[in-house]
Amino acid sequence: AQSVTQLGSHVSVSEGALVLLRCNYSSSVPPYLFWYVQYPNQGLQLLLKYTTGATLVKGINGFEAEFKKSETSFHLTKPSAHMSDAAEYFCAVSETGANNLFFGTGTRLTVIP
Amino acid sequence: EPEVTQTPSHQVTQMGQEVILRCVPISNHLYFYWYRQILGQKVEFLVSFYNNEISEKSEIFDDQFSVERPDGSNFTLKIRSTKLEDSAMYFCASSGIYEFYNEQFFGPGTRLTVL
Repeated sequence: AQSVTQLGSHVSVSEGALVLLRCNYSSSVPPYLFWYVQYPNQGLQLLLKYTTGATLVKGINGFEAEFKKSETSFHLTKPSAHMSDAAEYFCAVSETGANNLFFGTGTRLTVIP
Repeated sequence: EPEVTQTPSHQVTQMGQEVILRCVPISNHLYFYWYRQILGQKVEFLVSFYNNEISEKSEIFDDQFSVERPDGSNFTLKIRSTKLEDSAMYFCASSGIYEFYNEQFFGPGTRLTVL
């Protein structure tokens, strides 16, 4: 069975500062890992995904995440926060070959000017 | 850019009433999904649908729930007799078969409030 833990339901950073959103997962099989972003009154938008291969994956809007199997982590980072990054971020996991996603509880990112 | 749409954006209903939530998936997609998010909780998988039948469902998706693809474009979620605990945001998603099929595209959601 899969599960996802996102540490910190709210994260605040200053504009231009590093963004780090944490995600740990559990999976009995090699996982597919995802980060989604949700802007107010919008649906979930895929930021990036890890399937196989390179463990550092780059996504849209300057975000990247690194799959660390030994730590069962898939933390999301961005070197310099922008005001437009303020949103809710969800980490999700899926079993290889399955097609339903298991989500974390989300982290609301606030960017302070 | 193609997108998943959902109607209505907000539905208010009385306990015990039937509701139908509607979704229009991306036109060339073949897998369809419903998720829900109770306020303050995580997004939870309800059901997936492929080739006109349910391919997978969660424990939440009991006999009160049903899904249908009544025509070539709509995908609906019906709750037969709503309960207070059905109040949540319901998200529809779709994915293709020729792409990496786990990449699901989500709609903006329908907020269901059961009074």
